Amino acid sequence: AQSVTQPDIHITVSEGASLELRCNYSYGATPYLFWYVQSPGQGLQLLLKYFSGDTLVQGIKGFEAEFKRSQSSFNLRKPSVHWSDAAEYFCAVGADYKLSFGAGTTVTVRA
Amino acid sequence: AAGVIQSPRHLIKEKRETATLKCYPIPRHDTVYWYQQGPGQDPQFLISFYEKMQSDKGSIPDRFSAQQFSDYHSELNMSSLELGDSALYFCASSQNAGTGGGETQYFGPGTRLLVL
Repeated sequence: AQSVTQPDIHITVSEGASLELRCNYSYGATPYLFWYVQSPGQGLQLLLKYFSGDTLVQGIKGFEAEFKRSQSSFNLRKPSVHWSDAAEYFCAVGADYKLSFGAGTTVTVRA
Repeated sequence: AAGVIQSPRHLIKEKRETATLKCYPIPRHDTVYWYQQGPGQDPQFLISFYEKMQSDKGSIPDRFSAQQFSDYHSELNMSSLELGDSALYFCASSQNAGTGGGETQYFGPGTRLLVL
């Protein structure tokens, strides 16, 4: 069965600083990997996804993620954080007609 | 662009009552998924349907049932509600691409259910 681990429960970053959110997955085959963002009380918005090919994936809102098979990781990055990036971020693996999510990382942005 | 529609957005029920949540997928999407997100938790998969047939089932209680109709909308029926059923219920939809997990799921805004 597939699983996702997000080691960081909460990250605080200054506005304008870079951000990296960690995600490790466990899956026997080539994974389909996703990052979603959830603002308080809101639904889940897709940031980016990895299916195959180029291991560096560009997404919306200036986010990118890098797939590293050797490390079973799919870390999310943003070079310069904006106050509007404060939210909860979920990494997910897609398999067997469903998504399995990590526990999420809450990002706080300080001025 | 059209998004996934869920109704109602908020629902308050008493213990042992019944609730019905509705989901209208994005046009031309043939697959619907239901997830439950408890307070401070990650979304947990409940059940999915492809072309009106159940395609997978997760940790969905026997008190819950769901179906997908001919117009592809889906309903999640919850009976004998318990306090622990209080959660945010998401519906997502996708276009089946035969990858069994690689399809991009687009989420609705969720239905917040409170059981008193």
